[in-house]
Amino acid sequence: GQQLNQSPQSMFIQEGEDVSMNCTSSSIFNTWLWYKQDPGEGPVLLIALYKAGELTSNGRLTAQFGITRKDSFLNISASIPSDVGIYFCAGQIGTYKYIFGTGTRLKVLA
Amino acid sequence: GAVVSQHPSWVICKSGTSVKIECRSLDFQATTMFWYRQFPKQSLMLMATSNEGSKATYEQGVEKDKFLINHASLTLSTLTVTSAHPEDSSFYICSARPETGTSGDLWNEQFFGPGTRLTVL
Repeated sequence: GQQLNQSPQSMFIQEGEDVSMNCTSSSIFNTWLWYKQDPGEGPVLLIALYKAGELTSNGRLTAQFGITRKDSFLNISASIPSDVGIYFCAGQIGTYKYIFGTGTRLKVLA
Repeated sequence: GAVVSQHPSWVICKSGTSVKIECRSLDFQATTMFWYRQFPKQSLMLMATSNEGSKATYEQGVEKDKFLINHASLTLSTLTVTSAHPEDSSFYICSARPETGTSGDLWNEQFFGPGTRLTVL
């Protein structure tokens, strides 16, 4: 099935560092979402973006909806050990169907 | 608010048996529920979309006779994996979308359950 490409696939960072990851697609989406998934659990919504160019923050997280509507990025500032997990972007097709990205696996070294 | 539960959280079964997984929206009514499958170290792949009271819509490549979906009420959807085989072993995750007309920003979001780990021996 269709997937969005995320980069990097995985990353190790030191606690306190900033993290940046992005998501690209060949298709246009009307909504972009970022989720975090811990091992053995379902994904949890971090940020939802509804307009091209929109920049939205949620605590230490900031995400932007690309102006072309084909990409989005997520930044995490001052990372902490509990930020470890897998981050997925998702694009919404039509009214409610989601297509998920390939995921970015984040490991934070204390 | 907007909590989705799944039962069981994990299940082990023998090859050839059928397994039923339940997905419930606990504090809202869900017009639409979705079933995803996630293999180890991979992304979530949408299997099917179910609307209360009507037949599910399956994604390309998903066998509807093997993965039976029933959405009998606005708070419950079930996925039955029939004649399960080892290759069906996976993490199955459901999500639910609040009923149209729900106030606030909730109506346009999907809320995910905690997932069900299926292992077929």
